Amino acid sequence: SQKIEQNSEALNIQEGKTATLTCNYTNYSPAYLQWYRQDPGRGPVFLLLIRENEKEKRKERLKVTFDTTLKQSLFHITASQPADSATYLCALDILSNDYKLSFGAGTTVTVRA
Amino acid sequence: GAGVSQSPSNKVTEKGKDVELRCDPISGHTALYWYRQSLGQGLEFLIYFQGNSAPDKSGLPSDRFSAERTGESVSTLTIQRTQQEDSAVYLCASSYPGRFGYTFGSGTRLTVV
Repeated sequence: SQKIEQNSEALNIQEGKTATLTCNYTNYSPAYLQWYRQDPGRGPVFLLLIRENEKEKRKERLKVTFDTTLKQSLFHITASQPADSATYLCALDILSNDYKLSFGAGTTVTVRA
Repeated sequence: GAGVSQSPSNKVTEKGKDVELRCDPISGHTALYWYRQSLGQGLEFLIYFQGNSAPDKSGLPSDRFSAERTGESVSTLTIQRTQQEDSAVYLCASSYPGRFGYTFGSGTRLTVV
C-alpha cells in the first residue's frame, strides 16, 4: 500500500541552526511534492512545490530536495527562528486527473531562542 | 474573498444529529477539497470537486457523509446521524486546476457528544 513517512520525533533546535526534515514515501510515483506549514488551530499553509525533474528548490530560508530514486524529500530551514516553530507537512501529488494530495502526518519543529 | 472561509469554526452536536459544514473557496479556484484531521493525526482525504462535479468521492468514510458544491463556489459537507468518531477538524481547501498549492481554510472543529 502507499505510505508517506515523516520524522516521527519532534525536532527541537537552537535558534540560528538548520532544521532538516525528512519525507519518505513508498509505492508512489509522484509527479510533484509539496510542503506545508501548520500552526495550532489553523489550516496548513502552502510553502513550496517541487517537480519530479527538479532536484532542489529554494524560497528565502527554505530549501527542498526531491530524490525520486531514494523516494525521499528533505526540507531545510536555515538560520532558524522561534517564529519557524510549527508542524511541517509533506504532500504527494500523484500524476492523475484529479490532482488530489496525500499528506504525511507532519513533523513538529520547536526553535529555542 | 481573500482566503478560504469555513463556517462554523466550532460545532458541538449531540450524537445522532445531522450537521452541515460550509466552505467558501477563493474566487477563481475551480478545484475544492475536503479533508479531515483528527487530534494529532495527519490529513485524511474525503472528497474533491472540479467545478461542481465530484470525480473522487473515495475518501468519504460512510454513506452518512455527503457533499455538494454550487457552481464553482460554495460547498457543503453534510454528516447525517453523527457519531462520536466523527469528532475532528474538517478542513476545506481550494486551488486553481492543475498542480498548484492548496489554500486551506481554518477548519471547522466538530465535537460529537
